Amino acid sequence: DADVTQTPRNRITKTGKRIMLECSQTKGHDRMYWYRQDPGLGLRLIYYSFDVKDINKGEISDGYSVSRQAQAKFSLSLESAIPNQTALYFCATSEPGLAGNEQFFGPGTRLTVL
Amino acid sequence: GENVEQHPSTLSVQEGDSAVIKCTYSDSASNYFPWYKQELGKRPQLIIDIRSNVGEKKDQRIAVTLNKTAKHFSLHITETQPEDSAVYFCAARFSGGYNKLIFGAGTRLAVHP
Repeated sequence: DADVTQTPRNRITKTGKRIMLECSQTKGHDRMYWYRQDPGLGLRLIYYSFDVKDINKGEISDGYSVSRQAQAKFSLSLESAIPNQTALYFCATSEPGLAGNEQFFGPGTRLTVL
Repeated sequence: GENVEQHPSTLSVQEGDSAVIKCTYSDSASNYFPWYKQELGKRPQLIIDIRSNVGEKKDQRIAVTLNKTAKHFSLHITETQPEDSAVYFCAARFSGGYNKLIFGAGTRLAVHP
């Protein structure tokens, strides 16, 4: 089945370290998104991309960067991790559409910054 | 700014009762309103969505209503079952394209046998 996958699934790191979270998809979707989930705050959009040449900031992009290496791959980097970046991170994909379309989420990466 | 407010944050019901979750949005040009269900330790998954050209949509025990004038929409679950226990998120697609969704903070629904 076509799917969205994320690696690693869990990561513990220390303050100041550089971290990369990876997302791959076999759905053939052009649009990809990175969210973080915190208790009581829902899902907040970090970055989104509509193709390999298109990168856009979301609600909370400070402290994060992304790379769209190919249609199927979208990576999120924390250049210098800090404890308040401890969260559950989700990648998502969707098809294009003027009226909005379902977003398909990956399984999530739980990141802990000590 | 772009905002979606969701209430209540927690909801506890007895099996067989109905549950209602409400959301309001800020952008009057929003045209797509999905609802996602996230079971414990799982990824969010779409359960129902509604577009701005309709006022209500049903799928078995779940329904969503939309009031564009008041800028609010609601999820209704009837005959609740223990497997309905999860966190539910509403979202709104804001104008400007890109299928950019802004999510509510979530409602934790507990259905007690």
